[in-house]
Amino acid sequence: GQNIDQPTEMTATEGAIVQINCTYQTSGFNGLFWYQQHAGEAPTFLSYNVLDGLEEKGRFSSFLSRSKGYSYLLLKELQMKDSASYLCAVLDSNYQLIWGAGTKLIIKP
Amino acid sequence: DVKVTQSSRYLVKRTGEKVFLECVQDMDHENMFWYRQDPGLGLRLIYFSYDVKMKEKGDIPEGYSVSREKKERFSLILESASTNQTSMYLCASNLPGQVQPQHFGDGTRLSIL
Repeated sequence: GQNIDQPTEMTATEGAIVQINCTYQTSGFNGLFWYQQHAGEAPTFLSYNVLDGLEEKGRFSSFLSRSKGYSYLLLKELQMKDSASYLCAVLDSNYQLIWGAGTKLIIKP
Repeated sequence: DVKVTQSSRYLVKRTGEKVFLECVQDMDHENMFWYRQDPGLGLRLIYFSYDVKMKEKGDIPEGYSVSREKKERFSLILESASTNQTSMYLCASNLPGQVQPQHFGDGTRLSIL
């Protein structure tokens, strides 16, 4: 079966750094997406990785290792507005998106 | 900016009713999707459409149908609502090309009593 694993919940402090991990087992791989979803709002696109390595986009970076079936989202200089759920999703060999359950990130002052 | 609009944020219906959820996007996207989102589970694909009058079943199509009469509008229909269809429903759209990110509406929280 196809499976995406993320921690259910994480807590971090304002101004700190947090790393949200995502591991996957899918039939094929055509890329991995990260989305942010604030409570009661639409998921919004953060990043897409298809090659190994780190992609940096301001305070947010996303890393991929295809051989390990592993990705992480790194958030630096955390702000209160970063409190949200972060969704990991993988495009499988049929270009269907397989979604993780999401990681709820709580930022404390 | 892409705008995906879902007709209702909150909806309460009774078991056995026929329920219509509407979704409209304003960026001329070919692809449209309907998901449901439940606590502890990832987004699950119900139906999708790559063109007008075209529809494909997703992972959990049972109890649902869809309609795409116009490019900008994709409707989800619960033929006879049941309590296990109480959920958050999300509509999304994107351009052709499978690696294009999907743009989501704010969701409809549907309660079936």
